[in-house]
Amino acid sequence: DSGVTQTPKHLITATGQRVTLRCSPRSGDLSVYWYQQSLDQGLQFLIQYYNGEERAKGNILERFSAQQFPDLHSELNLSSLELGDSALYFCASSVDGENTEAFFGQGTRLTVV
Amino acid sequence: QKEVEQDPGPLSVPEGAIVSLNCTYSNSAFQYFMWYRQYSRKGPELLMYTYSSGNKEDGRFTAQVDKSSKYISLFIRDSQPSDSATYLCAIRDNYGQNFVFGPGTRLSVLP
Repeated sequence: DSGVTQTPKHLITATGQRVTLRCSPRSGDLSVYWYQQSLDQGLQFLIQYYNGEERAKGNILERFSAQQFPDLHSELNLSSLELGDSALYFCASSVDGENTEAFFGQGTRLTVV
Repeated sequence: QKEVEQDPGPLSVPEGAIVSLNCTYSNSAFQYFMWYRQYSRKGPELLMYTYSSGNKEDGRFTAQVDKSSKYISLFIRDSQPSDSATYLCAIRDNYGQNFVFGPGTRLSVLP
C-alpha cells in the first residue's frame, strides 16, 4: 500500500457527462500529480500541484481541470466526456515538488459509454 | 526524439535468469532516476530511486545510472514469475518539474 488513496476505483458514465476523481496523498506529501494511462499506453502527465498551487502542466485538455485543497487532497474534473477519455487515471504524491520520488495510487478506471 | 526511450519488449525469460531493462534519455538536465513496476491495470509501484551515477542495489534489484551516456538500467537477479509485470523508468529534472516516464517494457518470467 503506497498510502495514496484514489476514489472511486471504477466509474462508468455516458458521453457528455462530467465526473470528479479524488486523490488523497500520503501523509506529509505536499505535491500531487495526475496521470492518464490509456489501454496499452504509457503514463501521460496531466498536471501537478504543490501545496495548493499549480506547479506544472502537461498534456491536459481544456475540458479537464484540477485543484488541490488546503487539506492537500486533490480533485481532477473531467467534463464533456468523450469515448476517448476512457482510461486509467492515476494520482501520485511526493514530499516536495523537487527532488523526491513519487508514490502512486491504485487509479480510477473511467469508462465512457 | 522522445525525452525517454525504453526497450519496447515484450521480454520473456526463464525463471532464475538475470534480466536487464534499459532506458535512454535525451536531456542532461534530468538528475533523478526511478524504476517502477506496474502489474496489469494496477498503480505503478516504486522499486528504485537514485540521483547519482553508479550502481544502487536493493535485494535482487540493481539500478545503474550512467549520466555521461544518458543511460539507465535495471537488473533483476534470480528472476521469479512474480516479477512478470511492466517496468517503467521515470526521470525527473533538477528543477522539480514533472516526472517523465518511459513507455515501459513488459516482462514475462516463465516457470
